[in-house]
Amino acid sequence: DTGVSQDPRHKITKRGQNVTFRCDPISEHNRLYWYRQTLGQGPEFLTYFQNEAQLEKSRLLSDRFSAERPKGSFSTLEIQRTEQGDSAMYLCASSLVAPLREQFFGPGTRLTVL
Amino acid sequence: QQQVKQSPQSLIVQKGGISIINCAYENTAFDYFPWYQQFPGKGPALLIAIRPDVSEKKEGRFTISFNKSAKQFSLHIMDSQPGDSATYFCAALNSGYALNFGKGTSLLVTP
Repeated sequence: DTGVSQDPRHKITKRGQNVTFRCDPISEHNRLYWYRQTLGQGPEFLTYFQNEAQLEKSRLLSDRFSAERPKGSFSTLEIQRTEQGDSAMYLCASSLVAPLREQFFGPGTRLTVL
Repeated sequence: QQQVKQSPQSLIVQKGGISIINCAYENTAFDYFPWYQQFPGKGPALLIAIRPDVSEKKEGRFTISFNKSAKQFSLHIMDSQPGDSATYFCAALNSGYALNFGKGTSLLVTP
């Protein structure tokens, strides 16, 4: 399968714990994006990478959130000291650089914070 | 602040009918408008996309109509099927990176 993959698909944690999610983009894509989707809403942009460089972060990405893409391939998103408000679907997407800017999404990681 | 406004919130269409979902935007810097389909528990899947230099794009049963002067675009699903029942999101992108999504339309196609 050559699509975007995410792991784990589901994560249940207790408030205050740290969690880490992984995203593997489509292999030739050099841009990688993280979005967050809450129930009944469209995805909201969190951050993106071009190769290994993190080029932009949304104001939604608090200090408890950190993302990395160390070798320009897979990426990790870590949430420290989770809060109940962090419960959401975390989506990863990848794309080529312009002009072909279609973003292809992975299946997401559903986070539930108890 | 929602940069892309989508309507209706939900839609029920009979099998074989036409489903129409509308979106409007304000930012004239947007230059790429995709539509995504999302099934429960899955990530959004890219359906079809348009750039503002064309007024219509058709792929199979899916058509995007684009009105640049009105800053509106819409998705038409012809011959709607029960398998089309899903949530549909419009989005917009400028020369940057972040897709701006509408709030979604939940489509139910009845047999």
